[in-house]
Amino acid sequence: EAGVAQSPRYKIIEKRQSVAFWCNPISGHATLYWYQQILGQGPKLLIQFQNNGVVDDSQLPKDRFSAERLKGVDSTLKIQPAKLEDSAVYLCASRLAGRSSYNEQFFGPGTRLTVL
Amino acid sequence: DQQVKQNSPSLSVQEGRISILNCDYTNSMFDYFLWYKKYPAEGPTFLISISSIKDKNEDGRFTVFLNKSAKHLSLHIVPSQPGDSAVYFCAARVYAGGTSYGKLTFGQGTILTVHP
Repeated sequence: EAGVAQSPRYKIIEKRQSVAFWCNPISGHATLYWYQQILGQGPKLLIQFQNNGVVDDSQLPKDRFSAERLKGVDSTLKIQPAKLEDSAVYLCASRLAGRSSYNEQFFGPGTRLTVL
Repeated sequence: DQQVKQNSPSLSVQEGRISILNCDYTNSMFDYFLWYKKYPAEGPTFLISISSIKDKNEDGRFTVFLNKSAKHLSLHIVPSQPGDSAVYFCAARVYAGGTSYGKLTFGQGTILTVHP
């Protein structure tokens, strides 16, 4: 079974530029998450999708961050414009739908963003 | 507001000995707790979990203990192996109701180094 795919793996941009990250979840996983992990901290949830609908985006800085999951499969996360404090690893995770505790989140390798 | 805290940034253990990683939380609404393991340049991988109705869960060399009155959980690895060297994150979930899985809140992580 293929895991969660993310691209690019690394990205360096200057502040005020735009950047986009792509995620392809595990086949059949209805729930998709985007996390931000700043160095020395744990992952922080930015947005959660259930199929192509947003379940939770309470911690997404909506003035500069946007995400979509068209067709309920792959997803893109965009930052426009980027700030220095956006330097972090952006992790995508997916899981099967439902409350069952046996369906844990599977994470992709992440995209390391450096904003100069 | 750090609801999940891992107060030890790092832990060094000799191969074959026990590793004990600790995690404290403040939100009494958390109903499910997890440990994730992360190697460099990879995403976190699920390790073990425990429901708030239990006080212990064991899986091979890994045991998680939950002390609800103290709002404390710990992960024991016995015996520790060099391949266990990684960053360990504890995470906690608030059940959102219905069929929703709920949101995970992660601690900052503890770097475990197991020396041969």
